[in-house]
Amino acid sequence: DGGITQSPKYLFRKEGQNVTLSCEQNLNHDAMYWYRQDPGQGLRLIYYSQIVNDFQKGDIAEGYSVSREKKESFPLTVTSAQKNPTAFYLCASIAGTTGYTFGSGTRLTVV
Amino acid sequence: RKEVEQDPGPFNVPEGATVAFNCTYSNSASQSFFWYRQDCRKEPKLLMSVYSSGNEDGRFTAQLNRASQYISLLIRDSKLSDSATYLCVVSNAGNNRKLIWGLGTSLAVNP
Repeated sequence: DGGITQSPKYLFRKEGQNVTLSCEQNLNHDAMYWYRQDPGQGLRLIYYSQIVNDFQKGDIAEGYSVSREKKESFPLTVTSAQKNPTAFYLCASIAGTTGYTFGSGTRLTVV
Repeated sequence: RKEVEQDPGPFNVPEGATVAFNCTYSNSASQSFFWYRQDCRKEPKLLMSVYSSGNEDGRFTAQLNRASQYISLLIRDSKLSDSATYLCVVSNAGNNRKLIWGLGTSLAVNP
């Protein structure tokens, strides 16, 4: 079945550590997105990519980085510059004018 | 004023009840509209797109009022399984298909 796979489901980060969240899709979608969800704040856009080798900052890109070397993959790195990284991270893709398809998310916690 | 506003609820209704949610948006140039459903600690899932002519999918009916800049979701014959948070989502004009998310309306259907 086609879909989006995010891994890991749960991730624990130590202070000052970089971590990378994986997002893979087999839907042949061109556009991919990373969102962060915090309680009471809704979904906020971190980065998005509309084609391979191209990506743009969203509303809260500081402290994050991405790459889009393959159509299927859009990994997100949470760097040590992100001071409050504990959140639920959601990857999504879209084709045409339909709504997003989301992965099941990664819960990141700073320990 | 927030770009997309929803009543957070919670809405507590008995099984079989009809419940309606409204959502207002501030950008009159918004192009596309969606309702998503999110269960606790899960990813959002597309419930339905909202078309200008209104659309119905089983017990769910969505309406768009461009003049007043609001969309609505009506759920008839509520089921226990309808308990979730319902997210109103609006797409701005342009090519990036960036979605603006409401904070969601919480629904609890009680036996």
